[in-house]
Amino acid sequence: GAVVSQHPSWVICKSGTSVKIECRSLDFQATTMFWYRQFPKQSLMLMATSNEGSKATYEQGVEKDKFLINHASLTLSTLTVTSAHPEDSSFYICSAPVGHGREKLFFGSGTQLSVL
Amino acid sequence: QKEVEQNSGPLSVPEGAIASLNCTYSDRGSQSFFWYRQYSGKSPELIMFIYSNGDKEDGRFTAQLNKASQYVSLLIRDSQPSDSATYLCAVEAGNEKLTFGTGTRLTIIP
Repeated sequence: GAVVSQHPSWVICKSGTSVKIECRSLDFQATTMFWYRQFPKQSLMLMATSNEGSKATYEQGVEKDKFLINHASLTLSTLTVTSAHPEDSSFYICSAPVGHGREKLFFGSGTQLSVL
Repeated sequence: QKEVEQNSGPLSVPEGAIASLNCTYSDRGSQSFFWYRQYSGKSPELIMFIYSNGDKEDGRFTAQLNKASQYVSLLIRDSQPSDSATYLCAVEAGNEKLTFGTGTRLTIIP
């Protein structure tokens, strides 16, 4: 079946550094990918919609200059957390729809970011 | 603001019994409804989806939708310890964006 690969699974970084998270569709093309963030014991919150070949669409309250999204190919979207701070520590998950069925939304394995 | 509400639990159910998970949503324009299972530290995996009013059964799982009451539920029959997880209700309003509830933590007691 369709697989969405997310890397790295976890990352620890110092405050002020930038962290890049990759999301790849392994056996299908994804013109759209979604980036979510999940704090402990909270819901998944949609951060942005990544669109291949065009600018990402950010949800209200998400800083586009802090969370840089690049969707340069049909199989790869990246999220870069710039100048990370401890409050950015969270579980970041990407997802991609496969085909036209709304139920065919596959999630990556997630990235646990810890900012010291 | 579109909201999806779930009882956070924890919900404890004896092994072999029926687990009942509930979800309400605020956006009457919602069209698609999903139940995901999430183990700790892992990403969600799709359990069920439902579009029309009524019941939809898949193995031990039954999803129930009542659009008039803006209510969707998930029943798990013959609960197993491996069913212990957080169950997320998600709602889509026709733009492929999902709004998730906070999840209900389910524990199956052997």
